[in-house]
Amino acid sequence: EVQLLESGGGLVQPGGSLRLSCAASGFTFSTYAMSWVRQAPETGLEWVSGISGSGSSTYYADSVKGRFTISRDNSRNTVYLQMNSLRAEDAAVYYCAKDQVAGTSDTFDFWGQGILVTVSS
Amino acid sequence: DIQMTQSPSSLSASVGDRVTMTCRASRSISKYLNWYQQKPGEAPKLLIYGASTLQSGVPSRFSGSGSETHFTLSISSLQPEDFATYYCQQGFTTPPVTFGQGTKLEIK
Repeated sequence: EVQLLESGGGLVQPGGSLRLSCAASGFTFSTYAMSWVRQAPETGLEWVSGISGSGSSTYYADSVKGRFTISRDNSRNTVYLQMNSLRAEDAAVYYCAKDQVAGTSDTFDFWGQGILVTVSS
Repeated sequence: DIQMTQSPSSLSASVGDRVTMTCRASRSISKYLNWYQQKPGEAPKLLIYGASTLQSGVPSRFSGSGSETHFTLSISSLQPEDFATYYCQQGFTTPPVTFGQGTKLEIK
């Protein structure tokens, strides 16, 4: 059974940093690209960042480019999102999501339960 | 970036009704269109990929169609558990992956 479990969220002041983790199980982790998708309160879904299975390719939304860094540790079956210079508009529930097919498909067939990030002074 | 626009933004219907909602892309995305269902407090769930292929385990009352810039999601006979928000998402030109703003399906 595929499981994705996010951790690391919480309250941070504007300008602060936070690192999210997503621990995966139930599939051959290194074969699949992974993404982070966020959802601000009462709004829709926004793709934030993606990473290839090997970790050699990374992708970012313009809204977070230069501030967020995605990475993965295939030995630990975990994907990370390092978030720096956080702004009020980064406050959201962050989901990690697994690509549907080996390689990259940009179709997300499994999602974590989400982790809340609050940015406030 | 490809913009995805869903209509209507909200929809009221009754159990047993057939409903259809629309997603339009700002330029052609072939059939690289996915639909997700999200219930309050839950993560999104993949319903349909490739515009018309039902994800494993999704009831057959859900169907998708379309190509290029115009896509539809239909539910043939609404069940109580279908009341949720539905999002379309393109995976044709990435990054970035882009989502529509959602259609909220409510009970009449």
